[in-house]
Parts: sequence; structure tokens; C-alpha cells
Amino acid sequence: DARVTQTPRHKVTEMGQEVTMRCQPILGHNTVFWYRQTMMQGLELLAYFRNRAPLDDSGMPKDRFSAEMPDATLATLKIQPSEPRDSAVYFCASGTGQGIYNEQFFGPGTRLTVL
Amino acid sequence: QKEVEQDPGPLSVPEGAIVSLNCTYSNSAFQYFMWYRQYSRKGPELLMYTYSSGNKEDGRFTAQVDKSSKYISLFIRDSQPSDSATYLCAMSPYSSASKIIFGSGTRLSIRP
Repeated sequence: DARVTQTPRHKVTEMGQEVTMRCQPILGHNTVFWYRQTMMQGLELLAYFRNRAPLDDSGMPKDRFSAEMPDATLATLKIQPSEPRDSAVYFCASGTGQGIYNEQFFGPGTRLTVL
Repeated sequence: QKEVEQDPGPLSVPEGAIVSLNCTYSNSAFQYFMWYRQYSRKGPELLMYTYSSGNKEDGRFTAQVDKSSKYISLFIRDSQPSDSATYLCAMSPYSSASKIIFGSGTRLSIRP
């Protein structure tokens, strides 16, 4: 049963600390998405990659967020320094295309709390 | 004002009822419309998508788009307790994932 895995599932940290979230896409999927979900803003697309290359990261605050794919089996999202307003659930999703009709398979999310 | 507005609910209906979920939007450039279902503590999953105006049916689910009114709907017939979830609408002016905008979600509960 292929699925997207995300670690950690929960993270509590203090303001100013660096946070790294990891995602393992489904084997064979070449497109990876990062989303953030909050009660106030809902679900927002932060960035996405195709064949490990960033295609669009316009939804991501550039000054503190960075996203990379060191290899085809790992995507990372880093926040440095973290702020309380970054508290959210961060979802990674993978798929076989960048079209919005291409089904994206979401991971379980990382629930981040910044105190 | 948000580009996409969605009533957060919660909406509670008895099993077997017809459910209507709606979103309004302000950007006339939106051409692609989607509905996602999200169970508690899980990631969203794509339910249905449509391009431009019209209806699309898939089993018990029907998606409608009225571009003249900037209004989209998702109907669920013969609702089941397993349909209890949060439903998010999403839309984009492009066929790529860029610029996709999500509604805040409507929480739906189907009472047995």
C-alpha cells in the first residue's frame, strides 16, 4: 500500500528555532507539493517540484522558508527562524504530473506548534 | 474579501438526505474547479474536478459550475455516515497547480 510519509507527525518548538519537515513521496511519483493548512487561511500551496526541480514557490515566504529535494525519495521544508504564525499543519503530496487534474496523494501532515 | 468563500458549517443532516455544498468566488479568470474531501486528521483527497461551466456526475456526487454567478456546488445524494468529512472547494485559472486557491472548507456530519 504505497503512501506518502511525513516526519515528524507533531513538532512543538520555540520561536526562533529551526524546523525541518521531511517527506517521502510515493515511489515513482515525480511531482511533490508542499501545503500549509490553518483555521484562518485554510489550505495554501507553498511550493511544488517536478523531477526534483522547483517549479513554483511563490506561495512560500522566502525570507524564512526553504524547500528542497535532495533526491527523488526525500523532500524537505525548512523554517528558520520559526515564528508563532507558522503554527499550522504542513502537508506534503506527491503525484505523477503538475496538472491540477493529476491526482495528488497527500501525506498525514506535520502538525507544527511554535510557542 | 477572500477570492473563494465557503460556508464553514458545520452542516448536519440525516443519513439518506441530499447534501448541497457551495462556494462563491470573485476571480472571473478561474476556469478549473475541484472538490476535495478531508477526513479528520488526514490529508485532502481529490473528489471531482470540472472545467468551465456545467455539470459532472460521479456516482452519488454531482459537481455544478455556474460561471455567470461565480458559484459552484457539490451535491451528495443518498448521504452516508462515511461521507462525514470536511469538503474543500478549489479553483485555478490554469491547468497547472500554480495559483490554485482553496476554500476554507465545510464540515459535514451525516447522522445515522
